[in-house]
Amino acid sequence: DTEVTQTPKHLVMGMTNKKSLKCEQHMGHRAMYWYKQKAKKPPELMFVYSYEKLSINESVPSRFSPECPNSSLLNLHLHALQPEDSALYLCASSQDLYGYTFGSGTRLTVV
Amino acid sequence: ILNVEQSPQSLHVQEGDSTNFTCSFPSSNFYALHWYRWETAKSPEALFVMTLNGDEKKKGRISATLNTKEGYSYLYIKGSQPEDSATYLCASAGGYQKVTFGTGTKLQVIP
Repeated sequence: DTEVTQTPKHLVMGMTNKKSLKCEQHMGHRAMYWYKQKAKKPPELMFVYSYEKLSINESVPSRFSPECPNSSLLNLHLHALQPEDSALYLCASSQDLYGYTFGSGTRLTVV
Repeated sequence: ILNVEQSPQSLHVQEGDSTNFTCSFPSSNFYALHWYRWETAKSPEALFVMTLNGDEKKKGRISATLNTKEGYSYLYIKGSQPEDSATYLCASAGGYQKVTFGTGTKLQVIP
């Protein structure tokens, strides 16, 4: 299995909702990442997990809460989001810095 | 250069034309340069990872070069085909688990 699977593909949520994004890989990659991409902007790094431990948090607001239950799974818990948080959320995994494997993303709309 | 910059932002070429794009990146603290091909509604697909100054990589009709001293990489497509239409992203790995993306070059190949 050489894929990163993200669910759901699309999500619409209200500002008071709690929802979660899921990401799964079975390539044995040791690092997993969350990126956020707004239209016509580059993907921006949010979080990095290395060996299931949070190693980088790029000053992301606490309404985004990452979780890595095991080496294959990465979640992003969402609570009290704002409309400006609407974006494409990409998950990726890597064995090292020699390239990522990306999921196809979750398109999030906050209403 | 402080960020990763790509040019042009978008490009329309006729089928059969050859084309090239540029990625500029900070030359200090450089580790690796990635190129990805990203079709709409799909996952970004890794094309090349380059690390050494003067590296040249080739995959079919697509090739890339790297100059780490001056901080740029070129991606070339020979004899463009409609299926080459996509956004081409470059990313610079400049530190531990830190990969910075450019905004991409959107290529449209007209049949």
